[in-house]
Amino acid sequence: GAVVSQHPSRVICKSGTSVKIECRSLDFQATTMFWYRQFPKKSLMLMATSNEGSKATYEQGVEKDKFLINHASLTLSTLTVTSAHPEDSSFYICSAPLLALSSYEQYFGPGTRLTVT
Amino acid sequence: ILNVEQSPQSLHVQEGDSTNFTCSFPSSNFYALHWYRWETAKSPEALFVMTLNGDEKKKGRISATLITKEGYSYLYIKGSQPEDSATYLCAPTGTGNQFYFGTGTSLTVIP
Repeated sequence: GAVVSQHPSRVICKSGTSVKIECRSLDFQATTMFWYRQFPKKSLMLMATSNEGSKATYEQGVEKDKFLINHASLTLSTLTVTSAHPEDSSFYICSAPLLALSSYEQYFGPGTRLTVT
Repeated sequence: ILNVEQSPQSLHVQEGDSTNFTCSFPSSNFYALHWYRWETAKSPEALFVMTLNGDEKKKGRISATLITKEGYSYLYIKGSQPEDSATYLCAPTGTGNQFYFGTGTSLTVIP
């Protein structure tokens, strides 16, 4: 099956610093990738759509200057949390879609636990 | 597709009990309904995808039904086992590749 990796799996950073999270599709190309965030006791909330070679599309309420997304190649998307604050502490997970038969399937990375102190 | 509700939010059952939970969604712009299983510290794993009203899918002890006309899907687990403990997510989608997940149902199976 399709494999998506995510790095790092855990990161602790100080308030005010920036953190970069990488998402890679290992055995397939992904012109689109998605970034999700899990709030406490909540489901996965779509933050943005990462588009290879063009600007990301952000969901309503997600600050694009806060969460910088770059999709530089067909297998790599990065999410940079800029000037991180404790309220940015969360679980971030990416996915890449593959068309299977007549509908898409999302393949997820293992996620990144971000803690901002 | 937004406004995807799953109920109950959490569920505790005894090993061996059967259980079911629901996913409700707006029926406009609907194309497919996806169910995912998400265990702690692992990646969400695809369970089923259904597109037609009345579709039923089964994988082992887990089955799902889709009722598009009413905007519902049901997930049913027969004879729950501790390894079934996970969060179950549904995502109704259009023809595109963007997924908006429901609120999730957290299932705990007590040995």
